[in-house]
Parts: sequence; C-alpha cells; structure tokens
Amino acid sequence: AAGVIQSPRHLIKEKRETATLKCYPIPRHDTVYWYQQGPGQDPQFLISFYEKMQSDKGSIPDRFSAQQFSDYHSELNMSSLELGDSALYFCASSFGGTQYFGPGTRLLVL
Amino acid sequence: DAKTTQPNSMESNEEEPVHLPCNHSTISGTDYIHWYRQLPSQGPEYVIHGLTSNVNNRMASLAIAEDRKSSTLILHRATLRDAAVYYCILRPGGTDNYGQNFVFGPGTRLSVLP
Repeated sequence: AAGVIQSPRHLIKEKRETATLKCYPIPRHDTVYWYQQGPGQDPQFLISFYEKMQSDKGSIPDRFSAQQFSDYHSELNMSSLELGDSALYFCASSFGGTQYFGPGTRLLVL
Repeated sequence: DAKTTQPNSMESNEEEPVHLPCNHSTISGTDYIHWYRQLPSQGPEYVIHGLTSNVNNRMASLAIAEDRKSSTLILHRATLRDAAVYYCILRPGGTDNYGQNFVFGPGTRLSVLP
C-alpha cells in the first residue's frame, strides 16, 4: 500500500539558511500534519491542514510556515535556521482520525 | 488534551506475550484510544485503535477497561522487531476534530530479550 512520502530524507544546512521540507500524503487523504522530534525527545506537533486550510497549530516557531496545496501535498518552510532546529521532521496524513506517518526528514543545522 | 500515563520501560522475552498498560482517567466519552510505536530513527507506526470494545488486528490486541479509564496493548508473541517505544494517545472523536494533533507522551520503551 502507498505510504506517506517525505523529501528530502536528509538535509544539511548552515545557520541562518532556509529549508523546505515536502510531504506527499497517502492518496485520498485530506489532512496533513507536521511533527518535530528532537534528539531523545517525543514527537511534538507543529501544524496541520485539513482540505488545504490550517486546522490546528502547535509549538511552531514564527520562522516556520507551511501550506497544503491543491494536490494535497504540503511543504514546511523554515527560515533563519538555528542549531536547535536540528531534528527529525515527520509528516503524517489521514482521512478521518488515524494518522499515518512518513519516514521523516533528518535536518542537521551546522 | 487528555493525558495518558504509561510505564517508562518494560522488558519481555522473545515469543512471550507482552501487556503494555496505559492509564487515561480523564478520557472523555468520545475519545478514541490509539496506539503507535516508534523504532529508532523511524516514523511512528500505527498499531491499533478502539473506542469502547476490545479490538484485534494482525499486529496486536487492544483491551479497553469497562470504565475506559485504562487500556492494555497486547502483543501475543513478542519478537525482536517489536522492540520500540509504544505510545498510547487519545484522539477526540467527531468530524469537527479532523486535523486534531496527537500528543505523544513519554511512552513505554519495550525491550525484547532473545
């Protein structure tokens, strides 16, 4: 069965640079979620979109923005990167309540 | 967000059953109980979910207490590949709550011994 696709899988950036993470949900899923997981921590919710509208917002920094496009894929834009942004970023999708997670993007900020 | 409480860690022997408990005493009547697991450096993986009745699927069983204030994830025969962090998560029901985030608590780190 098709799964959530995230790209890139790994990303290395310098401080103050920008990064864009992409998420392709499971076909026919209408909701996308973004989570951040720092080293040794549990996943933390950032933001979600339902039918291309922002649905819920968590502890997402103002430097980050996201959107869901007409084909339901989503992008997380991160600017002025800081060392503390180094983490695994997971995207999940759902049709209804159960979320299915992608393999994640590992971001390293140097 | 309703809160769940799980043991920090548990250990099991390979091929033995494992019962992973979760307390959710503040659960509301429409909250679904979801279980996910996460292997190192991988995305959380859906295991099972339920509302009131016990549930079975190919991965596990979910036993829900009659008062719904606790639940137990049952792995019938643990394998080395079941070693992971297991999260018990409450999700509000209803279509108004689509897009509602999951709150990942500390979870239970399960070790499986050969």
